[in-house]
Amino acid sequence: AQTVTQSQPEMSVQEAETVTLSCTYDTSENNYYLFWYKQPPSRQMILVIRQEAYKQQNATENRFSVNFQKAAKSFSLKISDSQLGDTAMYFCAFMKQGNTGKLIFGQGTTLQVKP
Amino acid sequence: DTAVSQTPKYLVTQMGNDKSIKCEQNLGHDTMYWYKQDSKKFLKIMFSYNNKELIINETVPNRFSPKSPDKAHLNLHINSLELGDSAVYFCASSQTSGRTNEQFFGPGTRLTVL
Repeated sequence: AQTVTQSQPEMSVQEAETVTLSCTYDTSENNYYLFWYKQPPSRQMILVIRQEAYKQQNATENRFSVNFQKAAKSFSLKISDSQLGDTAMYFCAFMKQGNTGKLIFGQGTTLQVKP
Repeated sequence: DTAVSQTPKYLVTQMGNDKSIKCEQNLGHDTMYWYKQDSKKFLKIMFSYNNKELIINETVPNRFSPKSPDKAHLNLHINSLELGDSAVYFCASSQTSGRTNEQFFGPGTRLTVL
C-alpha cells in the first residue's frame, strides 16, 4: 500500500522569503503522479503543482517549484517570494497511474506567512 | 462558473438522522469522488464512480451509500448518522483519460452531528 508522509505539521516564513515543505512517500509502483494541493482558510482545495514520475525535470509553476527525487521517494515544495496569500494548509498527494484516480494524501503542513 | 458544486455547504443534524449531500460537476468529466476530511484535517478517499460505475469503495461503513444518477452527479446518502461522521466531505471530479489527471474539488460540506 502507498503512504505519504509530511513530517512538518507547522511552518512559518517571512513575507518575500523562501520556504520548503517536505514530503516523502512509499510505493512499489514505477509509474505515478505526485501533487501539492493548497487549502486556505476558505477550505477550498486548490492544485498548486503536479509531477509525473517518468519526468526527470522538476515541475515549476511561477513561484512554486518541486524537488522530485524518485530514488529517495521525496517530493518537496519550494515557495519563493512568499506572499500573505500563501498562508494555508498544504497537502502532498500520490496517485498511481491507472484509471482509478485515487489520491492518497499526506497529513498536511500548515504554513503561516508573516508580514 | 462553478466547476464542482456541493449542496449544502453546512449541515447540522442530530444523531440517528438520515441526510444527503449532493454534488454536481459541469466540466464534462467521467469520474467523480467523495473524500472525507476529519477533525485533524486528514483527507481520505471514500468512493469513486467512473461513468456511473462504482470503482473505488474504501472501507466505509455501509451507512454511507453513494448514488450516481448520471456522469455529472454523485450524491452521498448517510443513514443513522453518528457523532464520528462529523467532518468535511469533499466531492471531486476528473477526466481519467486526460493528460493531467487533475482532480477538481468542490467547496466541501461541513457536517456536524450533535
